[in-house]
Amino acid sequence: ETGVTQTPRHLVMGMTNKKSLKCEQHLGHNAMYWYKQSAKKPLELMFVYNFKEQTENNSVPSRFSPECPNSSHLFLHLHTLQPEDSALYLCASSQQGYNEKLFFGSGTQLSVL
Amino acid sequence: DQQVKQNSPSLSVQEGRISILNCDYTNSMFDYFLWYKKYPAEGPTFLISISSIKDKNEDGRFTVFLNKSAKHLSLHIVPSQPGDSAVYFCAASAPGGGADGLTFGKGTHLIIQP
Repeated sequence: ETGVTQTPRHLVMGMTNKKSLKCEQHLGHNAMYWYKQSAKKPLELMFVYNFKEQTENNSVPSRFSPECPNSSHLFLHLHTLQPEDSALYLCASSQQGYNEKLFFGSGTQLSVL
Repeated sequence: DQQVKQNSPSLSVQEGRISILNCDYTNSMFDYFLWYKKYPAEGPTFLISISSIKDKNEDGRFTVFLNKSAKHLSLHIVPSQPGDSAVYFCAASAPGGGADGLTFGKGTHLIIQP
């Protein structure tokens, strides 16, 4: 149990579907992150929320839409994705968001058909 | 352009021997470095970290060395055990006024052979 829970673990969707990824952290942290891991690539930072405010949007296409209703929950809304968006999407949290270790969830393996 | 580089995609080491994983970085602003370990179908888990004010940090079988002048760090695992077989990611961060997250390398797949 890492303290960061992601659902679903696996997701298959068509290019016209709308789906959402959910992340919940039970660590009392104030910062939450979305990372993308594609095959043979480094983990890529997508979004950062610090104290519920979005502080980073790493040039992510608008077909990915994050939502952070409170410090414990983070969503990633997906719509009209492309096959190249197939990847492992990882949620993470940290205490304050200032250059410290991150705690990761197990990820959602997304396949876009 | 990759700011954190792990040039060895995989490394095979015999059980009981020392495993040395290497990482190079290009951003001289990085001042905090971490190693993460990842098993298949799981998220990365934190292993060990080092601040730029140090050149070595040790935790049990794991030691991280930092050479700032060479912009190089390494993770030593001794003795290597079968459970150490995993993908190891090097990560770094720079000081800033907000939550910038971590910059990761591509990872090195460590295989411990019996």
